[in-house]
Amino acid sequence: EAGVTQFPSHSVIEKGQTVTLRCDPISGHDNLYWYRRVMGKEIKFLLHFVKESKQDESGMPNNRFLAERTGGTYSTLKVQPAELEDSGVYFCASSQVGLAGTGELFFGEGSRLTVL
Amino acid sequence: AQSVTQLDSHVSVSEGTPVLLRCNYSSSYSPSLFWYVQHPNKGLQLLLKYTSAATLVKGINGFEAEFKKSETSFHLTKPSAHMSDAAEYFCVVSPFGSARQLTFGSGTQLTVLP
Repeated sequence: EAGVTQFPSHSVIEKGQTVTLRCDPISGHDNLYWYRRVMGKEIKFLLHFVKESKQDESGMPNNRFLAERTGGTYSTLKVQPAELEDSGVYFCASSQVGLAGTGELFFGEGSRLTVL
Repeated sequence: AQSVTQLDSHVSVSEGTPVLLRCNYSSSYSPSLFWYVQHPNKGLQLLLKYTSAATLVKGINGFEAEFKKSETSFHLTKPSAHMSDAAEYFCVVSPFGSARQLTFGSGTQLTVLP
Protein backbone atom coordinates (compact mmCIF):
# COMPACT_ATOMS: atom_id res chain seq x y z
CA GLU A 1 0.00 0.00 0.00
CA ALA A 2 1.34 3.41 -0.96
CA GLY A 3 2.07 5.80 1.87
CA VAL A 4 1.49 9.54 2.00
CA THR A 5 3.22 11.14 -0.94
CA GLN A 6 4.22 14.76 -1.26
CA PHE A 7 5.39 16.77 -4.24
CA PRO A 8 7.75 18.45 -4.82
CA SER A 9 10.34 17.18 -2.40
CA HIS A 10 12.22 20.45 -2.65
CA SER A 11 11.27 23.80 -4.11
CA VAL A 12 13.46 26.90 -4.38
CA ILE A 13 11.69 30.14 -5.28
CA GLU A 14 12.25 33.85 -4.97
CA LYS A 15 10.41 36.10 -2.60
CA GLY A 16 7.11 37.18 -4.12
CA GLN A 17 6.65 34.09 -6.25
CA THR A 18 3.97 31.45 -5.85
CA VAL A 19 4.45 27.82 -4.88
CA THR A 20 1.95 24.99 -4.70
CA LEU A 21 2.65 21.90 -2.66
CA ARG A 22 0.70 18.74 -3.19
CA CYS A 23 -0.16 15.87 -0.87
CA ASP A 24 -1.69 12.52 -1.76
CA PRO A 25 -2.92 10.80 1.40
CA ILE A 26 -3.22 7.09 1.92
CA SER A 27 -6.24 5.82 0.04
CA GLY A 28 -9.34 5.77 2.21
CA HIS A 29 -7.99 8.21 4.80
CA ASP A 30 -10.55 10.94 5.35
CA ASN A 31 -8.37 12.99 7.71
CA LEU A 32 -5.63 15.04 6.11
CA TYR A 33 -3.33 17.39 7.99
CA TRP A 34 -0.68 19.91 7.05
CA TYR A 35 2.19 20.69 9.41
CA ARG A 36 5.22 22.91 9.01
CA ARG A 37 8.68 23.01 10.47
CA VAL A 38 10.47 26.28 10.14
CA MET A 39 14.25 25.97 10.54
CA GLY A 40 15.21 25.43 14.16
CA LYS A 41 11.64 25.44 15.39
CA GLU A 42 9.05 22.87 16.38
CA ILE A 43 6.77 21.16 13.92
CA LYS A 44 3.58 23.20 13.97
CA PHE A 45 0.05 22.34 12.97
CA LEU A 46 -1.38 24.28 10.03
CA LEU A 47 -4.77 22.76 9.27
CA HIS A 48 -6.95 19.69 9.21
CA PHE A 49 -9.34 18.43 6.53
CA VAL A 50 -12.04 15.85 6.98
CA LYS A 51 -12.75 14.77 3.45
CA GLU A 52 -13.08 18.02 1.50
CA SER A 53 -14.05 20.17 4.48
CA LYS A 54 -11.68 22.25 6.57
CA GLN A 55 -12.16 21.04 10.12
CA ASP A 56 -9.60 23.28 11.74
CA GLU A 57 -7.41 25.91 10.11
CA SER A 58 -6.33 27.69 13.25
CA GLY A 59 -2.66 27.12 12.51
CA MET A 60 -2.58 28.84 9.13
CA PRO A 61 -0.17 31.75 9.55
CA ASN A 62 -1.90 34.31 7.32
CA ASN A 63 -3.99 34.74 4.20
CA ARG A 64 -1.03 34.14 1.90
CA PHE A 65 -1.60 30.45 2.55
CA LEU A 66 -4.47 28.64 0.84
CA ALA A 67 -5.21 24.96 1.29
CA GLU A 68 -7.68 22.96 -0.73
CA ARG A 69 -8.73 19.36 -0.91
CA THR A 70 -10.63 18.73 -4.08
CA GLY A 71 -13.15 15.91 -3.85
CA GLY A 72 -11.72 14.79 -0.56
CA THR A 73 -8.72 13.16 -2.18
CA TYR A 74 -5.41 14.96 -2.67
CA SER A 75 -4.70 18.33 -1.13
CA THR A 76 -2.75 21.37 -2.23
CA LEU A 77 -1.17 24.11 -0.18
CA LYS A 78 -0.48 27.30 -2.06
CA VAL A 79 1.72 30.10 -0.79
CA GLN A 80 1.18 33.37 -2.64
CA PRO A 81 3.21 35.52 -2.50
CA ALA A 82 5.99 33.68 -0.71
CA GLU A 83 8.05 35.47 1.93
CA LEU A 84 11.45 34.57 3.37
CA GLU A 85 9.93 33.37 6.64
CA ASP A 86 7.88 30.76 4.78
CA SER A 87 11.00 28.67 4.25
CA GLY A 88 10.82 25.32 5.98
CA VAL A 89 9.60 21.77 5.60
CA TYR A 90 5.90 21.22 5.00
CA PHE A 91 4.60 17.86 6.14
CA CYS A 92 1.36 16.25 5.17
CA ALA A 93 -0.23 13.49 7.23
CA SER A 94 -3.36 11.38 6.96
CA SER A 95 -5.37 9.04 9.12
CA GLN A 96 -8.57 7.06 9.07
CA VAL A 97 -11.53 8.68 10.77
CA GLY A 98 -11.73 6.17 13.61
CA LEU A 99 -8.07 6.57 14.48
CA ALA A 100 -8.02 10.34 14.32
CA GLY A 101 -8.46 10.74 18.04
CA THR A 102 -5.56 8.44 18.88
CA GLY A 103 -3.16 10.51 16.86
CA GLU A 104 -1.97 7.72 14.60
CA LEU A 105 -1.05 9.90 11.73
CA PHE A 106 0.90 8.67 8.75
CA PHE A 107 3.31 11.30 7.53
CA GLY A 108 4.81 12.01 4.16
CA GLU A 109 8.48 12.79 3.67
CA GLY A 110 7.81 16.50 3.54
CA SER A 111 8.27 19.23 0.97
CA ARG A 112 11.20 21.50 1.66
CA LEU A 113 10.55 25.09 0.63
CA THR A 114 13.37 27.57 0.30
CA VAL A 115 12.46 31.21 -0.37
CA LEU A 116 15.35 33.40 -1.49
CA ALA B 1 -3.53 24.13 26.48
CA GLN B 2 -0.76 21.62 25.97
CA SER B 3 2.97 21.70 25.50
CA VAL B 4 5.92 19.38 25.24
CA THR B 5 9.52 19.91 26.32
CA GLN B 6 12.27 17.67 25.05
CA LEU B 7 15.07 18.23 27.49
CA ASP B 8 17.96 17.42 25.16
CA SER B 9 18.39 18.71 21.63
CA HIS B 10 21.24 16.25 20.99
CA VAL B 11 22.08 12.89 22.55
CA SER B 12 25.11 10.84 21.65
CA VAL B 13 25.56 7.21 22.71
CA SER B 14 27.85 4.36 21.78
CA GLU B 15 26.46 1.38 19.93
CA GLY B 16 25.26 -1.24 22.38
CA THR B 17 24.71 1.19 25.26
CA PRO B 18 21.31 2.33 26.59
CA VAL B 19 19.36 5.21 25.10
CA LEU B 20 17.38 7.72 27.13
CA LEU B 21 15.51 10.57 25.45
CA ARG B 22 13.68 12.79 27.89
CA CYS B 23 10.27 14.38 27.46
CA ASN B 24 8.07 16.37 29.81
CA TYR B 25 4.57 17.44 28.93
CA SER B 26 1.90 19.80 30.08
CA SER B 27 -1.75 19.28 29.27
CA SER B 28 -5.06 20.60 30.52
CA TYR B 29 -6.68 17.37 29.42
CA SER B 30 -5.95 13.70 29.86
CA PRO B 31 -3.30 13.42 27.19
CA SER B 32 -2.37 10.99 24.52
CA LEU B 33 1.40 10.88 24.15
CA PHE B 34 3.51 9.66 21.27
CA TRP B 35 7.05 9.32 20.08
CA TYR B 36 7.74 9.78 16.40
CA VAL B 37 11.06 9.23 14.64
CA GLN B 38 12.38 10.80 11.49
CA HIS B 39 15.30 9.24 9.68
CA PRO B 40 17.15 11.38 7.13
CA ASN B 41 15.06 12.06 4.03
CA LYS B 42 12.18 10.02 5.40
CA GLY B 43 8.75 10.84 6.76
CA LEU B 44 7.84 10.84 10.42
CA GLN B 45 7.17 7.33 11.70
CA LEU B 46 5.18 6.45 14.82
CA LEU B 47 7.37 4.62 17.36
CA LEU B 48 4.84 4.17 20.13
CA LYS B 49 1.82 5.75 21.78
CA TYR B 50 0.23 6.07 25.19
CA THR B 51 -3.56 6.41 25.32
CA SER B 52 -4.45 5.80 29.00
CA ALA B 53 -4.00 2.03 29.05
CA ALA B 54 -0.75 0.53 30.39
CA THR B 55 1.72 3.14 31.58
CA LEU B 56 4.68 1.24 30.15
CA VAL B 57 4.36 1.30 26.40
CA LYS B 58 6.36 -0.86 24.05
CA GLY B 59 7.02 0.30 20.54
CA ILE B 60 8.84 -0.79 17.45
CA ASN B 61 12.57 -1.55 17.20
CA GLY B 62 12.94 -2.26 20.92
CA PHE B 63 11.93 1.18 22.14
CA GLU B 64 9.67 1.73 25.10
CA ALA B 65 8.38 4.66 27.13
CA GLU B 66 6.85 5.04 30.55
CA PHE B 67 4.04 7.47 31.30
CA LYS B 68 4.57 9.03 34.73
CA LYS B 69 1.70 11.31 35.58
CA SER B 70 3.21 12.50 38.87
CA GLU B 71 6.33 13.64 37.02
CA THR B 72 4.50 14.67 33.82
CA SER B 73 7.12 12.72 31.91
CA PHE B 74 7.17 10.31 29.00
CA HIS B 75 10.81 9.38 28.52
CA LEU B 76 11.87 7.11 25.66
CA THR B 77 14.34 4.31 26.33
CA LYS B 78 16.07 1.45 24.59
CA PRO B 79 18.40 -1.01 26.32
CA SER B 80 20.96 -1.23 23.53
CA ALA B 81 21.47 1.31 20.76
CA HIS B 82 21.99 0.27 17.18
CA MET B 83 23.58 2.31 14.43
CA SER B 84 20.25 2.36 12.61
CA ASP B 85 18.68 4.22 15.55
CA ALA B 86 20.46 7.42 14.56
CA ALA B 87 17.65 9.83 13.73
CA GLU B 88 15.62 12.70 15.11
CA TYR B 89 12.99 11.83 17.71
CA PHE B 90 9.89 13.84 18.53
CA CYS B 91 7.74 13.67 21.63
CA VAL B 92 4.14 14.59 20.82
CA VAL B 93 1.00 15.27 22.86
CA SER B 94 -2.65 15.56 21.97
CA PRO B 95 -5.82 15.68 24.03
CA PHE B 96 -7.00 12.11 24.53
CA GLY B 97 -9.86 11.04 22.32
CA SER B 98 -9.72 14.20 20.32
CA ALA B 99 -9.02 14.74 16.66
CA ARG B 100 -7.37 18.02 17.48
CA GLN B 101 -3.92 18.87 16.30
CA LEU B 102 -0.79 17.28 17.67
CA THR B 103 1.70 19.40 19.62
CA PHE B 104 5.31 18.49 18.89
CA GLY B 105 8.41 18.87 20.99
CA SER B 106 11.45 20.50 19.43
CA GLY B 107 13.09 17.17 18.65
CA THR B 108 16.14 15.27 19.91
CA GLN B 109 18.85 14.30 17.47
CA LEU B 110 20.27 10.92 18.41
CA THR B 111 23.79 10.05 17.29
CA VAL B 112 25.05 6.51 17.68
CA LEU B 113 28.81 6.11 17.74
CA PRO B 114 30.50 2.90 16.59
